[in-house]
Amino acid sequence: KAGVTQTPRYLIKTRGQQVTLSCSPISGHRSVSWYQQTPGQGLQFLFEYFSETQRNKGNFPGRFSGRQFSNSRSEMNVSTLELGDSALYLCASSQDPARNTEAFFGQGTRLTVV
Amino acid sequence: AQSVAQPEDQVNVAEGNPLTVKCTYSVSGNPYLFWYVQYPNRGLQFLLKYITGDNLVKGSYGFEAEFNKSQTSFHLKKPSALVSDSALYFCATANTGFQKLVFGTGTRLLVSP
Repeated sequence: KAGVTQTPRYLIKTRGQQVTLSCSPISGHRSVSWYQQTPGQGLQFLFEYFSETQRNKGNFPGRFSGRQFSNSRSEMNVSTLELGDSALYLCASSQDPARNTEAFFGQGTRLTVV
Repeated sequence: AQSVAQPEDQVNVAEGNPLTVKCTYSVSGNPYLFWYVQYPNRGLQFLLKYITGDNLVKGSYGFEAEFNKSQTSFHLKKPSALVSDSALYFCATANTGFQKLVFGTGTRLLVSP
């Protein structure tokens, strides 16, 4: 079974631009969540989607948004990029959160804002 | 609010010796606790979880964790460390339904030959 796939693996963007990251969950997994990892703030929860609905949102500004498609694939978008948005963005999928199933992570997208 | 704390930034152990990576938790209600490992330039790999039941949880790659309610701890252990275990280890807790993970700051494990 293929794991969680995130594309692209690496991105370099300029301040003020916007970026879209993609995540394909493990087949059969309906929940997708996103995390930001930085040396200073560690791992922080961005948002979680289930059946195309955002169920949970972390404490990030509105520049960070996401969506989930009917095939459970998810995208997150960051608009008006700032230098501080440079981070490893991790996507995780789980089968059925209501049954307390664990999350499996992709390898991440390394975003550098210059 | 749910939280976990990892008091050690780094743990050093010699290969073949037992290892312990510490984690304490602060949660309301039943604790759902996890350990993940991260290798350089990689995502997080799930090691094990505690939901309920036996206080000793066995996981992947020979790791286990001991849940201690009175000490609010969930320490990760392995009887015999390998050099390949060197990585960054994260303890985490989750809300009911596991929709949101809250991670500790991570502990870097260095296993010397």
